[in-house]
Amino acid sequence: GAVVSQHPSRVICKSGTSVKIECRSLDFQATTMFWYRQFPKQSLMLMATSNEGSKATYEQGVEKDKFLINHASLTLSTLTVTSAHPEDSSFYICSAMVGDTEAFFGQGTRLTVV
Amino acid sequence: GQNIDQPTEMTATEGAIVQINCTYQTSGFNGLFWYQQHAGEAPTFLSYNVLDGLEEKGRFSSFLSRSKGYSYLLLKELQMKDSASYLCAVRDSNYQLIWGAGTKLIIKP
Repeated sequence: GAVVSQHPSRVICKSGTSVKIECRSLDFQATTMFWYRQFPKQSLMLMATSNEGSKATYEQGVEKDKFLINHASLTLSTLTVTSAHPEDSSFYICSAMVGDTEAFFGQGTRLTVV
Repeated sequence: GQNIDQPTEMTATEGAIVQINCTYQTSGFNGLFWYQQHAGEAPTFLSYNVLDGLEEKGRFSSFLSRSKGYSYLLLKELQMKDSASYLCAVRDSNYQLIWGAGTKLIIKP
């Protein structure tokens, strides 16, 4: 199956700093990638849809200036959490659709802001 | 509004069979997905249904009834490694994935 690689898998940062999370499609081109956030024991919450070469589409309630998404190429999308605070601590996951019937996920990034 | 309902938690015995149900109300329907998620890991794809009926894939099967807004995931010959959360997701008319909260499946020896 298709491989989506997400890096880093875990990151601890100080409050007020920024963290960049990378999501790469290793063996296919992903014109669209999705960024999710997941709190413990809860389902995935779609944050934004990342489109190659254009601006991301953010879901209602997600701050565009705080969660910067860049989809610079057909194989790379990045999510930058700016001025992180403890409440931003969460599990962030990216995914990409392969064709019309399968979505593959990155390994996820556990962010802890201290 | 759009809604996906699944049981919060289920318990089953190793070697047995378990059925996890999912009901949905969405604006349009363009397919239903089942994913498995182990604690602390990203979800992995299990199955996709867009037409009514049963799709079998090894020990796992998924059923869909579009008229009833209903799906189930059937797991046979349960193994301890099947202990995980199982997420149901429906793709709506805008091709957005709407996620259920997941069903935590506990397998006992």
